[in-house]
Amino acid sequence: GENVEQHPSTLSVQEGDSAVIKCTYSDSASNYFPWYKQELGKGPQLIIDIRSNVGEKKDQRIAVTLNKTAKHFSLHITETQPEDSAVYFCAASTGYSTLTFGKGTMLLVSP
Amino acid sequence: NAGVMQNPRHLVRRRGQEARLRCSPMKGHSHVYWYRQLPEEGLKFMVYLQKENIIDESGMPKERFSAEFPKEGPSILRIQQVVRGDSAAYFCASSPRSWQSSYEQYFGPGTRLTVT
Repeated sequence: GENVEQHPSTLSVQEGDSAVIKCTYSDSASNYFPWYKQELGKGPQLIIDIRSNVGEKKDQRIAVTLNKTAKHFSLHITETQPEDSAVYFCAASTGYSTLTFGKGTMLLVSP
Repeated sequence: NAGVMQNPRHLVRRRGQEARLRCSPMKGHSHVYWYRQLPEEGLKFMVYLQKENIIDESGMPKERFSAEFPKEGPSILRIQQVVRGDSAAYFCASSPRSWQSSYEQYFGPGTRLTVT
């Protein structure tokens, strides 16, 4: 089955800096890669996703890149703010199937 | 448009009791997924249901766990004879499965089960 590795497990940045979280996946059939933000005591919130026919996608301060050949994808957050502090999860699936999640990255943005 | 609803938000059960977790998907969504999250770990898939059908239950333990999504009413995840290892956060996600946005899964706030 699919296996998703996520790094780093924790990431501390200063407000205004950029943050990058990286994931690798094992199943070459995977074609959908969402990113979720989870705040303490809440459910995961879908923040951005990318499909395998696209190499990059942006939404304001966040962007995701996908390298199908290397089987890795990354989340980029620019101009970080304290409210970006949360746990971020990457995931992979073959579209209509279930999501396989990475173990998460705790992002801490210091004012 | 209300999001995915889950209840109860917190549930405490003693070992050997039954736990029933409920999930109401977003309006218009007919596909439901259940995931379990252990402390400081990612979410693990348990079961995928459509109305009145179990599509994939490969992530659900064979014993004590069952799930349903009836024609009317919420999806139910049932855990019989709970043990301390069942303590976790259980999340439900729903998906529209429309051709425009077939892949997105939207999560509820979760039910935090504590077994004492």
